[in-house]
This record gives sequence, C-alpha cells and structure tokens, in this order.
Amino acid sequence: GNSVTQMEGPVTLSEEAFLTINCTYTATGYPSLFWYVQYPGEGLQLLLKATKADDKGSNKGFEATYRKETTSFHLEKGSVQVSDSAVYFCALRTSNTGKLIFGQGTTLQVKP
Amino acid sequence: DGGITQSPKYLFRKEGQNVTLSCEQNLNHDAMYWYRQDPGQGLRLIYYSQIVNDFQKGDIAEGYSVSREKKESFPLTVTSAQKNPTAFYLCASSMQGGGGNQPQHFGDGTRLSIL
Repeated sequence: GNSVTQMEGPVTLSEEAFLTINCTYTATGYPSLFWYVQYPGEGLQLLLKATKADDKGSNKGFEATYRKETTSFHLEKGSVQVSDSAVYFCALRTSNTGKLIFGQGTTLQVKP
Repeated sequence: DGGITQSPKYLFRKEGQNVTLSCEQNLNHDAMYWYRQDPGQGLRLIYYSQIVNDFQKGDIAEGYSVSREKKESFPLTVTSAQKNPTAFYLCASSMQGGGGNQPQHFGDGTRLSIL
C-alpha cells in the first residue's frame, strides 16, 4: 500500500544553519507530493508541492525535489530562522483515491 | 477571505456523550476530509466526502459519524462508542480533479478532551 516515512525528530538547529528533513515514499501509480507545516496550536498549511518526477517545489526559502528513482522528496532550506520552528509533514496523494497519506511529522526547533 | 472554519476551538466531552464538531468552507471545494491527530503521530483519515450526500470511511472511522447535506458543511460527530476520543481534529477541503495534485486546505482544528 501507499506510505510515507519521515526522519524522526526533533531536529534542533541553530539559526542560519542548513536544514534537511528526509522523506521517502511507497506508492502505486504516480503520486503528487506535498510538504505541510504546522505551527503550535494551528492547522496545517501547505508549504510546497510537486506533481511529477524531477519537479522542484519551492516556497519561503524551502525546496524539495521529486526524485522518482529514489522515491524521495527531501525538504531543504539554506538558512533557517527561529520562526521556522514547527512540525513538518510530508504527504502523498494518488489520483485514484484523492486521499492524502501523511508521514508522522518531524519537529524542527531553531535556537537563536 | 475564503477559508475553512472549525468550531469550537476547544471541546469537552462527558462519558457516554455524543459531541459534534463543525467544519464550514467557503472555497467552493467539492471534497472535504476529517483527520485525527495524536501527539507525536501523523494525521489519520476518519471520513471523507467527494460530493454532497456521499461520504466514505477512512482508516479509523469506528466511533465516528458524518453527514454532507451541503457542499460547504461537513460536521463530524464523535459518538460514545469512540473510547479514546481525546485528540486534535482537523478538517480539510480540496478541489476535485486535476489528477490528484490538488492540495488540501486545512482549518485550525478542534481540540477534544474528556472530562
């Protein structure tokens, strides 16, 4: 079946450090891939998406590239800020179901 | 502004009581979803609806019920049969079609606790 695996957290970084959060997936067909961010006490916000192989999604300095050969969609940011502290969810959506399958989430803590 | 509104933000349930969580959207989205989030875990799908008057069970539907009488509304009832209802509940909506690449938009959630 379809599934998403994220690296375990929490990830703790100093401000201006480089961020990578790993995400790999298992899916039948050709899924679309998403990263969502959740700030404390809030719902999820779409951060970026990619709909086909080799697409790069980007937003607010975050990037992720859809790698079909490695079934991965790793999230990266060159220089994190304290305000980036949140929980990040990788998710996939297949055209035949329309449902989102989420990873377990990775907590990012950025210290000044 | 278009968006998804969940209410209430906090809800308390007594033993043996049914409670209903509200979800309203004005995005003109066809599909709506309910997820449950537990600490340290990802989101799990409870129910979803792709059109009015139709809905399907998700992965953890037992102890929950829904209705979809209007396009903009998708209330979730947590029944007394749900033995562990304490969680954060998130409602989402999306456009249909587009080959599955339509993102889901989320409300701010309702936190349900047992008294």
